[in-house]
Amino acid sequence: AQTVTQSQPEMSVQEAETVTLSCTYDTSESDYYLFWYKQPPSRQMILVIRQEAYKQQNATENRFSVNFQKAAKSFSLKISDSQLGDAAMYFCAYKQNQGGSEKLVFGKGMKLTVNP
Amino acid sequence: DTEVTQTPKHLVMGMTNKKSLKCEQHMGHRAMYWYKQKAKKPPELMFVYSYEKLSINESVPSRFSPECPNSSLLNLHLHALQPEDSALYLCASSQSGALNEKLFFGSGTQLSVL
Repeated sequence: AQTVTQSQPEMSVQEAETVTLSCTYDTSESDYYLFWYKQPPSRQMILVIRQEAYKQQNATENRFSVNFQKAAKSFSLKISDSQLGDAAMYFCAYKQNQGGSEKLVFGKGMKLTVNP
Repeated sequence: DTEVTQTPKHLVMGMTNKKSLKCEQHMGHRAMYWYKQKAKKPPELMFVYSYEKLSINESVPSRFSPECPNSSLLNLHLHALQPEDSALYLCASSQSGALNEKLFFGSGTQLSVL
């Protein structure tokens, strides 16, 4: 079965600093997508960034970028110039095809605190 | 309109009650999802509807009964729930269910079963 592992349950960062959140996954599939979602106290899951497995170029979205190492099955998220609004639970997720439908599987999540 | 709206936001029910959770989107999305999230845990997939047909049921107990009456609406009917079913229930949608699509999530219904 495909699994997603986030080994750090909590991290903190100073405002304006950079932080990296780690994620590893296990799969035998060749076609899949990886995502980072954040869940602030409002409870709504919000997409931060996504990566296509067959693309070697790392995805970037403004202050957010990933380091995708396909051979190592690693997918870390870097947040630059951290802001107070970045404080949230961050979930790494893997999307696979199951029985003709796409299934999103989440890691356990990591709580990010941003200190002023 | 890029929202997924879930009602109610909070629900308290007894183990003998019957209640329903409602989810609505007007983005023209054809894939809709129910997730269950316990406190301090990740969301766990329950059901997937694709073009109004149930495509994935993650071995969810029959006391949870999903329904997709049209492409904009997704319901979750609850009957004879147990206290361990207390959780945040999240609805999500995506354009067609393709592998690369992002999911749009609602803010969830916080369910307490007494």
